[in-house]
Amino acid sequence: ETGVTQSPTHLIKTRGQQVTLRCSSQSGHNTVSWYQQALGQGPQFIFQYYREEENGRGNFPPRFSGLQFPNYSSELNVNALELDDSALYLCASSTGPNEGYEQYFGPGTRLTVT
Amino acid sequence: SQQGEEDPQALSIQEGENATMNCSYKTSINNLQWYRQNSGRGLVHLILIRSNEREKHSGRLRVTLDTSKKSSSLLITASRAADTASYFCATGSGSARQLTFGSGTQLTVLP
Repeated sequence: ETGVTQSPTHLIKTRGQQVTLRCSSQSGHNTVSWYQQALGQGPQFIFQYYREEENGRGNFPPRFSGLQFPNYSSELNVNALELDDSALYLCASSTGPNEGYEQYFGPGTRLTVT
Repeated sequence: SQQGEEDPQALSIQEGENATMNCSYKTSINNLQWYRQNSGRGLVHLILIRSNEREKHSGRLRVTLDTSKKSSSLLITASRAADTASYFCATGSGSARQLTFGSGTQLTVLP
């Protein structure tokens, strides 16, 4: 088990609603990345936060937004939920912002949009 | 979009046998990582191999990288039922601050 925690574990929302997912990074890590994993697929990069600033973004619309706090924990916010947003959302923390650092993943939040 | 593609999509073997999974990717990379995921849970980092390395070992794991063929393989020796999981390769490149994951190989080790 890594030291990365995510909440909630499961969530059911209705199309059009908004959701906030939370991630606490491992001690000593200053970078958090968020991924969306659809059933049967590999994780897809949403964005990364490094020292409280967005530091790279994948091919996701602006209704996916985030924050990183001074303690390096992070939030992922999704507005105007769509059915296709149903997925496992994973956060990963690391000691640096580039892809050469090992990423420590949390257990994920399973979001179901009905 | 998925950068890496794992092959096979699914693999079923008996305990004690070796399991080999392959990963192909499309663009030049700085490093390639392998991760394991147990049934819908978080991913666990297994091993990182840099683009100037050809082979790396960690316990029962052996990873090779052939940058000329844009491919990597993960060998798990003397497999155990606890190795049952999905295995993903992930590539990193300097132009993007992200890991790009493949679609994974589902490994089942039968006792």
